[in-house]
Amino acid sequence: KAGVTQTPRYLIKTRGQQVTLSCSPISGHRSVSWYQQTPGQGLQFLFEYFSETQRNKGNFPGRFSGRQFSNSRSEMNVSTLELGDSALYLCASSLAEGLSSYEQYFGPGTRLTVT
Amino acid sequence: GESVGLHLPTLSVQEGDNSIINCAYSNSASDYFIWYKQESGKGPQFIIDIRSNMDKRQGQRVTVLLNKTVKHLSLQIAATQPGDSAVYFCALLYNFNKFYFGSGTKLNVKP
Repeated sequence: KAGVTQTPRYLIKTRGQQVTLSCSPISGHRSVSWYQQTPGQGLQFLFEYFSETQRNKGNFPGRFSGRQFSNSRSEMNVSTLELGDSALYLCASSLAEGLSSYEQYFGPGTRLTVT
Repeated sequence: GESVGLHLPTLSVQEGDNSIINCAYSNSASDYFIWYKQESGKGPQFIIDIRSNMDKRQGQRVTVLLNKTVKHLSLQIAATQPGDSAVYFCALLYNFNKFYFGSGTKLNVKP
């Protein structure tokens, strides 16, 4: 079974631009979560989508948004990029149906650099 | 909210020794705990999990211990190998809702 895939793997943008990152979960997984990882803050939860609905949201500004499609693939968008948005963006998928299904599988991440 | 901390940012061990990585958390209502391993350039990889109604769980060369009284979680790696060198995170699920991650401990295995 293929793992979680994220595209692109690397991205360089300038301040003020917007960016869209993509995540394809493991086949059969309906939950997709997004995280931001930085050396200073570690892994921070952005949001989770389940069956095309945002189910949970972290404490990030409205510039960060996402969506999930009917095939469970998810995208996240960051508008008006700031230097502090430079980070590794990780996507994780899980079955998320019942307690035994909270095991998350992470993709390799998208390394975003904002200049 | 929830805070998750680790006792040591870096741990160096000799190949073949046992490693213990610790994690403290603040909210006793946490439901589920996971240890992840993250190698350079890769996403976190699931190692082992434990539910809040358990105090010990064993996997292949790894053991997770949960002490709910002092809100402490540990990961023990037996016979540490060079391939175990990575950053290890604890994560906890609170209210079956969100995961909170520790900042990570970097494990260096010396040959």
